[in-house]
Amino acid sequence: QKEVEQDPGPLSVPEGAIVSLNCTYSNSAFQYFMWYRQYSRKGPELLMYTYSSGNKEDGRFTAQVDKSSKYISLFIRDSQPSDSATYLCAMANPPGYNKLIFGAGTRLAVHP
Amino acid sequence: EADIYQTPRYLVIGTGKKITLECSQTMGHDKMYWYQQDPGMELHLIHYSYGVNSTEKGDLSSESTVSRIRTEHFPLTLESARPSHTSQYLCASRDGTESREKLFFGSGTQLSVL
Repeated sequence: QKEVEQDPGPLSVPEGAIVSLNCTYSNSAFQYFMWYRQYSRKGPELLMYTYSSGNKEDGRFTAQVDKSSKYISLFIRDSQPSDSATYLCAMANPPGYNKLIFGAGTRLAVHP
Repeated sequence: EADIYQTPRYLVIGTGKKITLECSQTMGHDKMYWYQQDPGMELHLIHYSYGVNSTEKGDLSSESTVSRIRTEHFPLTLESARPSHTSQYLCASRDGTESREKLFFGSGTQLSVL
């Protein structure tokens, strides 16, 4: 069984929609939770970071962590065509935070 | 903004050839990483380095080798390429003194071995 499960999609939504992306995990020791965005033919870039449980908001993006359910989410409000990319969740547990465990990524397409 | 460069972007090569994938960063980061990414699959760590003359193997077994003679340079070498090595290779770096979670990635090298 994989440590991190992520629905690969693809997810296709109209511009302006609210998007929900999710990951589940099995290792209860994970403390650091991240979302990376990867455009086609580019490397991933860090979008959101959360330590332990709770919510974090940055503009149109909100990251949520529910450690009791081992479930993390990324919400995108007012989605734009420029949000079309693959979204990777990643997580790590101290002291091995050097070694992130990545999900396989969800491909998102936002059409005008 | 982060500056981490990988060359070549694309490489098509025959079986048995020796190849070196280049990775350089201009941020003075101590920690550098090589990941392998296949379509629809997770990124897997194949090598990492904590600084000059430090290299470690990652979680995914790989026939490649790395070296870290200079802080800014972390090349990956395959002595004899095989079709099973076909993949995307991503280099990343991180400054251990900053927020721990932020990895800066290069744009990757797409390797195809015929």
